[in-house]
Amino acid sequence: QKEVEQNSGPLSVPEGAIASLNCTYSDRVSQSFFWYRQYSGKSPELIMSIYSNGDKEDGRFTAQLNKASQYVSLLIRDSQPSDSATYLCAVNTRRDDKIIFGKGTRLHILP
Amino acid sequence: EAGVTQFPSHSVIEKGQTVTLRCDPISGHDNLYWYRRVMGKEIKFLLHFVKESKQDESGMPNNRFLAERTGGTYSTLKVQPAELEDSGVYFCASSQGRVYNEQFFGPGTRLTVL
Repeated sequence: QKEVEQNSGPLSVPEGAIASLNCTYSDRVSQSFFWYRQYSGKSPELIMSIYSNGDKEDGRFTAQLNKASQYVSLLIRDSQPSDSATYLCAVNTRRDDKIIFGKGTRLHILP
Repeated sequence: EAGVTQFPSHSVIEKGQTVTLRCDPISGHDNLYWYRRVMGKEIKFLLHFVKESKQDESGMPNNRFLAERTGGTYSTLKVQPAELEDSGVYFCASSQGRVYNEQFFGPGTRLTVL
């Protein structure tokens, strides 16, 4: 079982709709959860961090965490063509400081 | 505030040659990380510095890889001698090391070994 799993996509969403990205993780002692956005050929850009169960909202982005189910999600409201990118789910455990990444989900917003 | 910078952006070398990658972290960030993404795989951790000390180098593939962080500022990652499987994108990240450890990534160095 991979440590962080994501559907590779591509996920196609019409402009203006809600994009929903999902991620599961295997290590129960994980404590910090991150969503990075990566445009082709660019660096991963941190867009959301979440540490407690529940929802965290920042602008058009909402991160959701369910530790019992070992599940993290990212919702993007009012999707824009500029949101088209690969979204990386990443997890940090209490054991050390390294981040473990999923392979990423390619999101394509259809104009 | 300047972000994490890396040099060079691209490097093409032949098998057996040596390459040195450089990373300058965000000013004031004591924690510096190296990660690598090979084709078709996820980004994977290589090692972690706290100031000038190696905190965790469990991800380093083998002894052909040598990382240094002189004076706790910039870091270098040397590959000697390079092999074909070393090709990939090498990312550097830095953090302030607070409790939740948000890491900020540089643009990466794309290494191609022919």
